[in-house]
Amino acid sequence: DAGVTQSPTHLIKTRGQHVTLRCSPISGHKSVSWYQQVLGQGPQFIFQYYEKEERGRGNFPDRFSARQFPNYSSELNVNALLLGDSALYLCASSPWDWMNTGELFFGEGSRLTVL
Amino acid sequence: AQKITQTQPGMFVQEKEAVTLDCTYDTSDPSYGLFWYKQPSSGEMIFLIYQGSYDQQNATEGRYSLNFQKARKSANLVISASQLGDSAMYFCAMRELTGGSEKLVFGKGMKLTVNP
Repeated sequence: DAGVTQSPTHLIKTRGQHVTLRCSPISGHKSVSWYQQVLGQGPQFIFQYYEKEERGRGNFPDRFSARQFPNYSSELNVNALLLGDSALYLCASSPWDWMNTGELFFGEGSRLTVL
Repeated sequence: AQKITQTQPGMFVQEKEAVTLDCTYDTSDPSYGLFWYKQPSSGEMIFLIYQGSYDQQNATEGRYSLNFQKARKSANLVISASQLGDSAMYFCAMRELTGGSEKLVFGKGMKLTVNP
């Protein structure tokens, strides 16, 4: 079975540009979460979506937005890129009750470099 | 707010030896879950082991076991018989429920190097 897939794997943007990152969850998983991992740190929560609705948002500016599609795939959009947005962006998918089972699975991430 | 502390920036271990990775946590919630993830250089976060706060026994998954000491608020990962492929970053994390959302709060991680 396919795991969580993310695209693109690597990308380079310049300040002020916009970026769209994509995530396909594991088949049957209806929840998708996004995390940002800056070099040398642990991942930080950005968004959680379940059944196409935003369930939670981390402490990130409004330049960050996301959505979930009917097939449960998801997009993360970042506008007006800053140098500090350079990071590994991780997508994770889960069944709704993952908290009690540990079933939160991550993709390999999209590594964004902002110049 | 919940907090995860990993104070070891890096560790070295000889192949086939056991190693313990430290993690302490802070929460006021009576119900919580603790996770360990491995992150190789490829970037993917690989789930290793989960421990629920009400679980009576320490979690084990193959060569991984979790030394859960609730009173001390510690959840150390023990890797037995280290292998070269165990070299990676290791992250301890705790679940957090806020409103209708579920998320993981991660520690800063620590780098494990297994030497032949």
